[in-house]
Amino acid sequence: SQQGEEDPQALSIQEGENATMNCSYKTSINNLQWYRQNSGRGLVHLILIRSNEREKHSGRLRVTLDTSKKSSSLLITASRAADTASYFCATDKGAQKLVFGQGTRLTINP
Amino acid sequence: ETGVTQTPRHLVMGMTNKKSLKCEQHLGHNAMYWYKQSAKKPLELMFVYSLEERVENNSVPSRFSPECPNSSHLFLHLHTLQPEDSALYLCASSQAGHSYNEQFFGPGTRLTVL
Repeated sequence: SQQGEEDPQALSIQEGENATMNCSYKTSINNLQWYRQNSGRGLVHLILIRSNEREKHSGRLRVTLDTSKKSSSLLITASRAADTASYFCATDKGAQKLVFGQGTRLTINP
Repeated sequence: ETGVTQTPRHLVMGMTNKKSLKCEQHLGHNAMYWYKQSAKKPLELMFVYSLEERVENNSVPSRFSPECPNSSHLFLHLHTLQPEDSALYLCASSQAGHSYNEQFFGPGTRLTVL
């Protein structure tokens, strides 16, 4: 069954604005990861947040995790045209198995 | 491009054909994965190999047959596919036993079944 569900499914913003994507999941996790996928390509790992962490930063990315609400958010600050892609959350419950959500398609307009 | 390569990048085949997808990882990992990505559906895990043994077979039809001859190579053998099998097939690798299962993906094979 699907573990992570992203919200919104699609997001279109102007270059320079911030983009926020949300992910909800159903069961307990070891960690949660965010990936990016450019059109028709493979996924690229962006950032991982452990279940005992609440916030993590990497460059223009900020991820939060609320285990009580079983939700995470990915914030991209000062967006650029190159950020246009689909973004997926993936929950890791162990046993080398990641369960991906359906993704948020982000479009940055110049 | 990552340290995971996939060939071919595009494949068109008829329902009676037999073809194989190839994946190679150059990262020294010991776990490899096949995923199927269809339009408007979440990424579906198909198979997991850890230390060259299959540890996951996610109810995939027998017309898909994986092979992992060593920790660097993974194949997906295809036969008598259906049009609904058309999708992007992604290979990934990771380090089994590591606390954090960060996966590295190849660029995918775009498969079209006529």
